[in-house]
Amino acid sequence: GESVGLHLPTLSVQEGDNSIINCAYSNSASDYFIWYKQESGKGPQFIIDIRSNMDKRQGQRVTVLLNKTVKHLSLQIAATQPGDSAVYFCAEILEIQGAQKLVFGQGTRLTINP
Amino acid sequence: NAGVTQTPKFRILKIGQSMTLQCTQDMNHNYMYWYRQDPGMGLKLIYYSVGAGITDKGEVPNGYNVSRSTTEDFPLRLELAAPSQTSVYFCASVQRGRGYTFGSGTRLTVV
Repeated sequence: GESVGLHLPTLSVQEGDNSIINCAYSNSASDYFIWYKQESGKGPQFIIDIRSNMDKRQGQRVTVLLNKTVKHLSLQIAATQPGDSAVYFCAEILEIQGAQKLVFGQGTRLTINP
Repeated sequence: NAGVTQTPKFRILKIGQSMTLQCTQDMNHNYMYWYRQDPGMGLKLIYYSVGAGITDKGEVPNGYNVSRSTTEDFPLRLELAAPSQTSVYFCASVQRGRGYTFGSGTRLTVV
């Protein structure tokens, strides 16, 4: 079915540490995944994406890993900063009758402690 | 280039009232979407459109209607507001194969 879930609803890390946010998906046919950051009172903001023909993609301080065997992806944030505090969502793109649908997971709230 | 613009930002409705949430984008994107986000939850798809004149239901379409007469605009209509429709509503658009752009949201309370 269509479902993207997260292992942990909350995560607290010390400023400067690395953080890892995990996500499981259920549709093995999904071929495109996106991580979003949502700050309080704002819409989701694109962070990084990855296609199923890749197992790793890096951006500025962020890395996404995709393990298709166990249908799992993760978002790694290096050297966390106070501005990284937000809710992070993974989302998968499902292709249905020629149209794209973006399906979100529940989200993980990341808190950066000073 | 304003991206995706939603209005209003906040609204309080009484049960049974109707309203239209406006969404417009200036990026010439074909795909547009309406999501709702309940507290502590992810976004659920209400309706989507792959182009002007074409709309389709998402996961939670009941109680809503949409239209897409132009590429730019994708309004969401609530005909008989119910407390269960209290939520934050997000509009998004995408050019196929690229990341979605979201509006800043409309916070709706039905009392």
